[in-house]
Amino acid sequence: EVQLVESGGGLVQPGGSLRLSCAASGFTFSNYAMSWVRQAPGKGLEWVSIISGGAGSTFYADSVKGRFTISRDNSKTTLYLQMSSLRAEDTAIYYCAKTPASTSYSTFDLWGQGTMVTVSS
Amino acid sequence: DVVMTQSPLSLPVTLGQSASISCRSSQSLVYSDGNTYLNWFQQRPGQSPRRLIYKVSNRDSGVPDRFSGSGSGTDFTLKISRVEAEDVGIYYCMQGTHWPLTFGGGTKVEIK
Repeated sequence: EVQLVESGGGLVQPGGSLRLSCAASGFTFSNYAMSWVRQAPGKGLEWVSIISGGAGSTFYADSVKGRFTISRDNSKTTLYLQMSSLRAEDTAIYYCAKTPASTSYSTFDLWGQGTMVTVSS
Repeated sequence: DVVMTQSPLSLPVTLGQSASISCRSSQSLVYSDGNTYLNWFQQRPGQSPRRLIYKVSNRDSGVPDRFSGSGSGTDFTLKISRVEAEDVGIYYCMQGTHWPLTFGGGTKVEIK
């Protein structure tokens, strides 16, 4: 079955760090760019970051640039998001999303169930 | 950044009737390769988003043909014909032509 399963969310204090993971299965992981999209409580969707299939290219939203790092381990078919200097406004459900090709950044054809990150003291 | 503006914010619909959601972009979504990267996603209550439509009018596998997308340039529409109870949720448009990728604010579809 083709699926994405996120983990690693939780409660963290402002200024703290957290690493999210997204385990992929059912498809050839390295063939597809992968992304993180977040949704603050009761709010809409916000694109966060994206990485190419071979991990050679990464892009970030301005709101997280310099604080978040996206990476992937194709041998483990896992996507990561290292988050540091966390702020209250980073509180959200973080979704992992798959694109249709290695360097396709225009759409997401599969989403995970999400993992909740709460930044609060 | 490209601003995606959806309307209406809320859309009460009678079962069996049709519904239309508008999405307007602040810039043309036509890419240099000639494609227009406009997507529609459905988020049912308590679920993660699911793609319905890509490149304006291409329906995903398994999406009922009651859903259709149209438009060009900066003006796009998602139409749901014969609304069913399972169509309740929030619908988002998203542009994939310009960096950063941006979503509309969402339209909540509910049954009258």
